[in-house]
Formats: sequence, structure tokens, C-alpha cells
Amino acid sequence: QSALTQPASVSGSPGQSIAISCTGTSSDVGGYNYVSWYQHHPGKAPKLIIYDVSNRPSGVSNRFSGSKSGNTASLTISGLQAEDEADYYCGSYTSSSTQVFGGGTKLTVL
Amino acid sequence: QVQLVESGGGVVQPGKSLRLSCAASGFTFRSHGMHWVRQAPGKGLEWVAVIWYDGGNKYYADSVKGRFTISRDNSKNTVDLQMNSLRAEDTAVYYCARGRTRHSSDSDYWGQGTLVTVSS
Repeated sequence: QSALTQPASVSGSPGQSIAISCTGTSSDVGGYNYVSWYQHHPGKAPKLIIYDVSNRPSGVSNRFSGSKSGNTASLTISGLQAEDEADYYCGSYTSSSTQVFGGGTKLTVL
Repeated sequence: QVQLVESGGGVVQPGKSLRLSCAASGFTFRSHGMHWVRQAPGKGLEWVAVIWYDGGNKYYADSVKGRFTISRDNSKNTVDLQMNSLRAEDTAVYYCARGRTRHSSDSDYWGQGTLVTVSS
């Protein structure tokens, strides 16, 4: 159950687009279309923003999108806004019927 | 509206036990799997355990297997986490989270968390 690999930090200016990668193995990310992404503002409850690789829950902005290729999933945020500054985590179902998270990526909006 | 309220956190000595509870409301509890996820100070999220909607299946992270037990009471809309043989590395904020479906791995609603500190 090794954590998925995410960049520690990414940054972008308002209005720009950024992408966060999430790399796993064929036993998790690559083996199933059950990748999710969470937005976490410190001190608050995490928020699900993408599930099943590319689906957005009701109420989540369409500026958030997800994709996957092989063992790597990606979260793209377009039209960056100040309130997007947060920690982002990917998660995946695994072959052991468990879940594994990535180490998290801190997004800074310049 | 969906509400998840954790309780039971506190300071406990290494080797001792603690039981966390999560009270759910605002949705049909018996139709959703339930997760526990933790975040150690300054660290990222770590998935801990899941119990399916009917309690029929339970799965654990390797780091807690054999020490933690997840359970649920669908008549009371609660999910518990019994934590035994606690270690310093179990110190974290523990979140209760609703599975999006009966046995999905992702969670669409989270509680505010309860802090567990393992220290002598």
C-alpha cells in the first residue's frame, strides 16, 4: 500500500491552467477507473472534486477536470482563482479492495 | 443536509486503546459504505479503513490491520473505530467520511475530524 506519487507543490497565476499528476501502479491507478481527487483547505473537511477518473460531483465547478493514462492520473484546474489555493490529494481503489492516497500537492495561486 | 460528527478523540498513552465514533444524519445511512481517514500533523491524508453499507465487508490499511476494528450500527446511524495497541505514529486527526455508494472507494462527505494524540 505505497502512497501514490504527486508533486509536492505547483503554482500558477489567476486565470491560468495547472495540472497535478498522480502516479501509481497497475494494482491501483492503472488497473481501475476509480481515481478520485480531493481539495483540502487546512482546518476544513476535505472536498471530493473528481470521482471515477473524470466525473464531477454536483456543484463542483467545471474548471476542475480529471483524466488518466496508464498508471498516471491528472487533475487540471483551468481559470485559476484565489480560492483554489489549497492542498490536493488523489486517491485510488487498489487490488486489495483498499484505498490509497497520494502524498498531496500544495497549490499556490500567485 | 449530510452531517458527520466524530467524537472520542483525546490524549492516550502508547499501548492503550481508544474508541472513535461518528454520528451520521441527513441521508440513508444503510445505503452507503463508510470510511475512516486520518491526517498526522504536517502530513497528508492516509486512508485507514472502510466498512461496506451492510457491514458485510471491512478492509484496513496495512498500518492498522490487526490493531483497529471498524464497525457500524445501521439502526443508530453510527460508525465506530476501535483502536488498540496505539502507537505514537497513530497521532492524527481522524475523519469519518461517507462512501459515495454502497461500496465505493471514494468519499463525498467528510466530518470535521477528531484529534487523537498518543503520548506518554
